[in-house]
Amino acid sequence: DAMVIQNPRYQVTQFGKPVTLSCSQTLNHNVMYWYQQKSSQAPKLLFHYYDKDFNNEADTPDNFQSRRPNTSFCFLDIRSPGLGDAAMYLCATSRDRAASYEQYFGPGTRLTVT
Amino acid sequence: SQQGEEDPQALSIQEGENATMNCSYKTSINNLQWYRQNSGRGLVHLILIRSNEREKHSGRLRVTLDTSKKSSSLLITASRAADTASYFCATDAILTGGGNKLTFGTGTQLKVEL
Repeated sequence: DAMVIQNPRYQVTQFGKPVTLSCSQTLNHNVMYWYQQKSSQAPKLLFHYYDKDFNNEADTPDNFQSRRPNTSFCFLDIRSPGLGDAAMYLCATSRDRAASYEQYFGPGTRLTVT
Repeated sequence: SQQGEEDPQALSIQEGENATMNCSYKTSINNLQWYRQNSGRGLVHLILIRSNEREKHSGRLRVTLDTSKKSSSLLITASRAADTASYFCATDAILTGGGNKLTFGTGTQLKVEL
């Protein structure tokens, strides 16, 4: 089945230690998104890619970076995680631009910062 | 910032009853989408309603949209225990860089008891 896969499902990192979360998709969608969802809150968009074009949200901290080496894969790098970065990180995809499409979400990676 | 507020924040009903969740938003929208999130998991798309539509059905789901009141409602009929989840409305806007930005409401936690 076509899907969005996130690895790992659970990640524990130490304060200040860089961490990378990964996302892959078999849907062949052009657009990939990263959301942050803190406990009992709504998901919040961090950035997205249309193909290789990177688009950052204005209020996304510089601590968060992303890479998309090809259509299928996208990575979220947190350069120096703080305690406030503990959250569920959700990857999503959608088909194309200039239209409203549903987004397909992965199961998420829950990040704990110790 | 969150676009929408959902009401109620939490809802507990018996299996077989109907569940109604309401969403209000602040700015003009392109379309509105509803998503379900099971505890600790990713989001699943339920339904998309366009700004020129007033009502849409999908199985046991019925969504209404009133753009003059900037509000939407989600009705789940004949609820089942498996419907227990958090439900989010999301307004969407086309992104300049391609894709569409979802801005999620605060969510309603639905519990369906046997």
